[in-house]
Amino acid sequence: RKEVEQDPGPFNVPEGATVAFNCTYSNSASQSFFWYRQDCRKEPKLLMSVYSSGNEDGRFTAQLNRASQYISLLIRDSKLSDSATYLCVVQTMNTGFQKLVFGTGTRLLVSP
Amino acid sequence: GAVVSQHPSWVICKSGTSVKIECRSLDFQATTMFWYRQFPKQSLMLMATSNEGSKATYEQGVEKDKFLINHASLTLSTLTVTSAHPEDSSFYICSAHQGNGYTFGSGTRLTVV
Repeated sequence: RKEVEQDPGPFNVPEGATVAFNCTYSNSASQSFFWYRQDCRKEPKLLMSVYSSGNEDGRFTAQLNRASQYISLLIRDSKLSDSATYLCVVQTMNTGFQKLVFGTGTRLLVSP
Repeated sequence: GAVVSQHPSWVICKSGTSVKIECRSLDFQATTMFWYRQFPKQSLMLMATSNEGSKATYEQGVEKDKFLINHASLTLSTLTVTSAHPEDSSFYICSAHQGNGYTFGSGTRLTVV
């Protein structure tokens, strides 16, 4: 089983739509959680951290359920520029070092 | 914000040769640098954790003699792919932990022909 699992998509949505991505992680000792965005052939860029209380940044809302080991990302009013791959990322401790574990990403295509 | 400069951005090399990739932290000191590899349509996979002044810690299945990591200063870590083969063709990317976040280099696309 992969440590971080995501639906690879692609999710094809029209502009203005609301879209939700889900992610599950297997290591219950994971400490921090993030959503990153990766454009084709580029490095990942932090979209937002995810907290148990839920957090919102403009059109983006992230949620964490530690009991279910489940993370979500909601994008409202999709823009063409939101087209990218969204990576669910979990920070864990491994052999004394903190490390990031990446999901395979969910591809989003927003069309006019 | 924190910036990690990675070079080269792309490289094509012949099978059997070695390629060095550099990552520099420009405005902060990076005690720890992470090296990832990403194959097409796959996730970033951690290859090794590089620590300034000590040996790198390699993930299971990553050959330390093939992927040489040097972190001789607080601002520079290098990854050398030795005796490269076509199956080593991939996107290599470094990341430094700084404060509460991680900063990524822009990645190196390696093609071995």
